Amino acid sequence: GIQVEQSPPDLILQEGANSTLRCNFSDSVNNLQWFHQNPWGQLINLFYIPSGTKQNGRLSATTVATERYSLLYISSSQTTDSGVYFCAVYLEETSGSRLTFGEGTQLTVNP
Amino acid sequence: DGGITQSPKYLFRKEGQNVTLSCEQNLNHDAMYWYRQDPGQGLRLIYYSQIVNDFQKGDIAEGYSVSREKKESFPLTVTSAQKNPTAFYLCASSRQGANNEQFFGPGTRLTVL
Repeated sequence: GIQVEQSPPDLILQEGANSTLRCNFSDSVNNLQWFHQNPWGQLINLFYIPSGTKQNGRLSATTVATERYSLLYISSSQTTDSGVYFCAVYLEETSGSRLTFGEGTQLTVNP
Repeated sequence: DGGITQSPKYLFRKEGQNVTLSCEQNLNHDAMYWYRQDPGQGLRLIYYSQIVNDFQKGDIAEGYSVSREKKESFPLTVTSAQKNPTAFYLCASSRQGANNEQFFGPGTRLTVL
């Protein structure tokens, strides 16, 4: 099956710093999502991005499908950005499309 | 408010007991999904359903069962055959069709004693 690899696995930042999280996938995919999992476990949708670049406030994402990777940029990080960031890719099967998740990047933003 | 609810938030059970986790959505989504998350890991797909009265096994279906009798509801039963049931369980839903964005509920933490 498809492999989804995220890097780095852990990242510690000072408040105000910028960061880039990477997601590599081993095969062609139909779409990709970025999620933030907060300390209570809730998965929050950040971006739904098959290709190109999207921005939402301090966050932006770029997916280069032909090269099989996506990047999540966090600028001017805040302590509330802490948590786990997951990348997940969509694969279409005869019984419907399904998500395959990476292992996540644990982000800690210190005040 | 539209959304996905899961209950209970925390669940404790004795080894050997079956337990059913609830997932309800009022987003009018046709497709629903169950995932399992172990500490420090990503989510893995247990079962999914694209339409009422139909569902498919995901990557780790052994020891689990589901039903889809209503569009709004997709309960998951963790049976005694599941060897390591202690985990965080997340339910999701999406519109029917290829690659539609999935939205997640708040999750249920199951601990088997």
